[in-house]
Amino acid sequence: DAGITQSPRHKVTETGTPVTLRCHQTENHRYMYWYRQDPGHGLRLIHYSYGVKDTDKGEVSDGYSVSRSKTEDFLLTLESATSSQTSVYFCAISESINKNPRISPLHFGNGTRLTVT
Amino acid sequence: KNQVEQSPQSLIILEGKNCTLQCNYTVSPFSNLRWYKQDTGRGPVSLTIMTFSENTKSNGRYTATLDADTKQSSLHITASQLSDSASYICVVSAGQTGANNLFFGTGTRLTVIP
Repeated sequence: DAGITQSPRHKVTETGTPVTLRCHQTENHRYMYWYRQDPGHGLRLIHYSYGVKDTDKGEVSDGYSVSRSKTEDFLLTLESATSSQTSVYFCAISESINKNPRISPLHFGNGTRLTVT
Repeated sequence: KNQVEQSPQSLIILEGKNCTLQCNYTVSPFSNLRWYKQDTGRGPVSLTIMTFSENTKSNGRYTATLDADTKQSSLHITASQLSDSASYICVVSAGQTGANNLFFGTGTRLTVIP
């Protein structure tokens, strides 16, 4: 397995509270991503990062922010959690710039199951 | 609209039997197509990646095919094992913008029974 650790693995929180999910990699890959997975939907991109302090929005970025202060860590923050953000969140990484990310596989973490009550 | 559709939604087969999963896409321009396996409670794991010029790719008992003209792909599993029980996700990459332009299918849930 690629060295990707997501924490926490499970979290229950109340509506309106801030939540931060952490993704830690040991592969020194440049590209990191946050996805959410919901029943009836394919994985959807929330935010992604090209490198330290270099991030951009994905398809479903509203209500989420990210930060990447070190190559190995990519944080996803829900500023004020809502019930619609109940989901399973996956972090992914892909090869460094030396290999074209277009044809390099994404390696996924094992997810964080977030429940917002 | 860029879409990826998979069929069937779910499938139950006997151990040792073969099966084929389907993926149709409308993503344009096409860059590459990937199949992932996702075990319950785990993240997806890459099985194959195929570019426009490749029409078959194998990974052990898994064989993926791609017909870029009809925009269809299939994943064939030979001599199924209980450990093949998982969701199989088809992912199509569009254009030139790298892995941040991926379109995911909703998956086929495969159950292999003894």
